[in-house]
Amino acid sequence: ETGVTQTPRHLVMGMTNKKSLKCEQHLGHNAMYWYKQSAKKPLELMFVYNFKEQTENNSVPSRFSPECPNSSHLFLHLHTLQPEDSALYLCASSLTDESPFFGSGTQLSVL
Amino acid sequence: AQSVSQHNHHVILSEAASLELGCNYSYGGTVNLFWYVQYPGQHLQLLLKYFSGDPLVKGIKGFEAEFIKSKFSFNLRKPSVQWSDTAEYFCAVNSNSGTYKYIFGTGTRLKVLA
Repeated sequence: ETGVTQTPRHLVMGMTNKKSLKCEQHLGHNAMYWYKQSAKKPLELMFVYNFKEQTENNSVPSRFSPECPNSSHLFLHLHTLQPEDSALYLCASSLTDESPFFGSGTQLSVL
Repeated sequence: AQSVSQHNHHVILSEAASLELGCNYSYGGTVNLFWYVQYPGQHLQLLLKYFSGDPLVKGIKGFEAEFIKSKFSFNLRKPSVQWSDTAEYFCAVNSNSGTYKYIFGTGTRLKVLA
C-alpha cells in the first residue's frame, strides 16, 4: 500500500460505457491530482484540486469529469471514451509545497 | 510553458557501472526539481528533490543529482549501479511559486545486467 489507494486496479470498458475511477488518501494531504501515463509520453497532468477546489485543468476533454467531494477523495468519471484514452491513470496527493505522493494507478483499456 | 526533456529513453548498464541520466527543463523562473523512480510493478516514488541551497542533492539508495542553473539541467547520478536499480526514472519540475503544476519528462528505462 502506498497511502494513496486507487480502485479499480484494472478496467476494461467500451466506448459507450460510463465508469468511474476512485482515489482515496488518509495522509492528511490537501492537494489531489490526476495524471495520465501513456507509453513513450511524459506523464500528463490532468487535474489538480486543493482543499476540494479545482486549481488546474490541463485542457482535458470533457469526456473526463473529475469530482473532489473532500480532501481525502477524488474521482474521475469517464464517458464515451476513445481507444486512445487507454492508459494508466495515476492519482497523487500532497501537502502544499511538497511533491506528489502517487498511488499504483488504474490501468484502463477502452475497446 | 514548462517542459522537461529526458534524452535517454533506454539505458543498459552492467552492475558496478556508473550512471548519469540527463534532465533538462524549460522555464524562465525559479524552479523546484525532482527525480522519481518507478520499480517494475510498483508506484512512482520520490528519489530526491531540489528546492534551494546546495545544488548537489543526495537522495535515497546512493543517488545524487546536480542542479546547474546555467544549463537548465538536473542530471541524476550514481557511482555504482546494482541490479535492483532496474526501473524507470522520471525527472519533474515545479515552478517555485506555490502552484501544484508538476511537469514530468518521458522517463528513462534503466536496465542493469547482473
